[in-house]
Amino acid sequence: DADVTQTPRNRITKTGKRIMLECSQTKGHDRMYWYRQDPGLGLRLIYYSFDVKDINKGEISDGYSVSRQAQAKFSLSLESAIPNQTALYFCATSDSGTSGGAGYNEQFFGPGTRLTVL
Amino acid sequence: AQTVTQSQPEMSVQEAETVTLSCTYDTSESDYYLFWYKQPPSRQMILVIRQEAYKQQNATENRFSVNFQKAAKSFSLKISDSQLGDAAMYFCAYRLDSGGGADGLTFGKGTHLIIQP
Repeated sequence: DADVTQTPRNRITKTGKRIMLECSQTKGHDRMYWYRQDPGLGLRLIYYSFDVKDINKGEISDGYSVSRQAQAKFSLSLESAIPNQTALYFCATSDSGTSGGAGYNEQFFGPGTRLTVL
Repeated sequence: AQTVTQSQPEMSVQEAETVTLSCTYDTSESDYYLFWYKQPPSRQMILVIRQEAYKQQNATENRFSVNFQKAAKSFSLKISDSQLGDAAMYFCAYRLDSGGGADGLTFGKGTHLIIQP
């Protein structure tokens, strides 16, 4: 099955460490996203990418960076992790497509990475 | 900036009954899309139903339907014949009609739905 995968699924790290979360997809979608979920706050957009050369900041990009290594791969980095970056991180993909408009197309989510920064 | 508000942190319903989850949003745009996502304890995000703002007809998907009131900026989810498997967090989300401009979903804070057997 075409899928969205995230590695690692769980990670515990220390303050000040650099960490990378990876996302891969086999759906052939051109758009990819990173979201963060905190208890009681829903999901918030960190970065999104329309294609390999088009990367955009979301609502809460400070303290994060991303890299779109290929159409199928989109990684999120925390250059110097801090405790308030402890959260559940989701990658998602979407197809621009033509039917119904790009905005109507479903975003497919990966299983999430639970990150704890001590 | 767009905002999405879910005013019910938690709802409880008896199995087989009907429940309605509320969602309001704020936007100055005229073309956009609205979604309801379900997040069970497995934490997987699952699309339940979606609505195009330019369509007046309310979307339906089996036991799930929406009441979309564009002027009131309201997008409620009705679950009929509630089942134990419906127990989850439900998130309302907004998305612009993205033709290459801003993209991404704006989520509400969620409603925790409990199904009483």
